[in-house]
Amino acid sequence: SYELTQPPSVSVSPGQTASITCSGDKLGDKYTCWYQQKPGQSPVLVIYQDTKRPSGIPERFSGSNSGNTATLTISGTQTMDEADYYCQAWDSNTVVFGGGTKLTVL
Amino acid sequence: EVQLVQSGAEVKKPGESLKISCKGSGYNFINYWIGWVRQMPGKGLEWMGIIYPVDSDTRYSPSFQGQVTISADKSTSTVYLQWGSLKASDTAIYYCARPPQGGSLWSGSYFDYWGQGTLVTVSS
Repeated sequence: SYELTQPPSVSVSPGQTASITCSGDKLGDKYTCWYQQKPGQSPVLVIYQDTKRPSGIPERFSGSNSGNTATLTISGTQTMDEADYYCQAWDSNTVVFGGGTKLTVL
Repeated sequence: EVQLVQSGAEVKKPGESLKISCKGSGYNFINYWIGWVRQMPGKGLEWMGIIYPVDSDTRYSPSFQGQVTISADKSTSTVYLQWGSLKASDTAIYYCARPPQGGSLWSGSYFDYWGQGTLVTVSS
């Protein structure tokens, strides 16, 4: 079965740029989206179709996808961005989630 | 306003059956796929399956095929997730989620509407 691999944790200082990767075989040939989940809350979509940002999501969130790796980038990271982030793609008509990355802002 | 409202928390014993629900409102319910996602305590998101209410076309993740049943009731705009015999390992939060557009799923589909989650606790 298809697997998406994310680093378990990423740390960033406030105001700096955070990059969270998601790796999978030929992932660049698929569309990737990203969800943010804060404790006790439902996931929130922050990037879809590799690079698109839903309305209401700050411009500091951006995405890219090429080769075997998709990347979520948060520019000028704020303390409110501290959360778990999950990538998601489709493979063989099935949704696949990455294992999630805990972003710590300190 | 699109809303997915899930049923309340459940506490069950191993071996018991359970059916939880996700009620859609604010949109044409039958034309939108709705999926289910499991999140075990302290763990990540896991895809369970998805249903298209208009014809009940249902697709399961291989990991959950045969373990759960997803169904839909068009008359009440509700999608269900059910277990015939719960195990302690079914303890989790279960979310329903919907893509922004109706009709066919495709490789670029994503989920921008989520229910609030239903906590299922299975313990003897």
